[in-house]
Amino acid sequence: NAGVTQTPKFRVLKTGQSMTLLCAQDMNHEYMYWYRQDPGMGLRLIHYSVGEGTTAKGEVPDGYNVSRLKKQNFLLGLESAAPSQTSVYFCASSSPPENYGYTFGSGTRLTVV
Amino acid sequence: QQQVKQSPQSLIVQKGGISIINCAYENTAFDYFPWYQQFPGKGPALLIAIRPDVSEKKEGRFTISFNKSAKQFSLHIMDSQPGDSATYFCAASIQIFNKFYFGSGTKLNVKP
Repeated sequence: NAGVTQTPKFRVLKTGQSMTLLCAQDMNHEYMYWYRQDPGMGLRLIHYSVGEGTTAKGEVPDGYNVSRLKKQNFLLGLESAAPSQTSVYFCASSSPPENYGYTFGSGTRLTVV
Repeated sequence: QQQVKQSPQSLIVQKGGISIINCAYENTAFDYFPWYQQFPGKGPALLIAIRPDVSEKKEGRFTISFNKSAKQFSLHIMDSQPGDSATYFCAASIQIFNKFYFGSGTKLNVKP
């Protein structure tokens, strides 16, 4: 009963490097989301998906790309990392209308130096 | 522009006391208001949620009070315990889209 699994848990990148964060859920949820959490800012939506093959921009999408090739996986890519992308990234999933609440992963702490 | 404003930023309460966290929103299209609890190193977890057709919802020691006309809602934690020490986030969404807008968070410290 894993729920939402994020990999990796920690990562340090150099400015300009690229990386992909993986989110996997085993609850057959249709909707998936990527948020970033910064001190004093709460959680801000980066991108989201309402089903396999669909993606949409959230509040802070610049510098990120996403893909949802399989229903259970949602990938977040950083093409050219910048120090401003230092943050904790959370993936979440939900299954409206049966359940509107989000199930979150445990987060990925990313530092860009 | 933050869609949901949360206060206070931090809160210290004695064991057995009442913790109160407040949130305000502007978008009258919001129709689902959850609260999330987050412990250090963990992802947020759904605590309790309310829809605007009711003014109060209680689950155990946790109560949401909702004031539709004032566009405000609050979380009350009765008989606060040290185990309640965590960061609490309010959120709001339009259910049809199910995108949550989160408040900035309140760090609660319940002293024994």
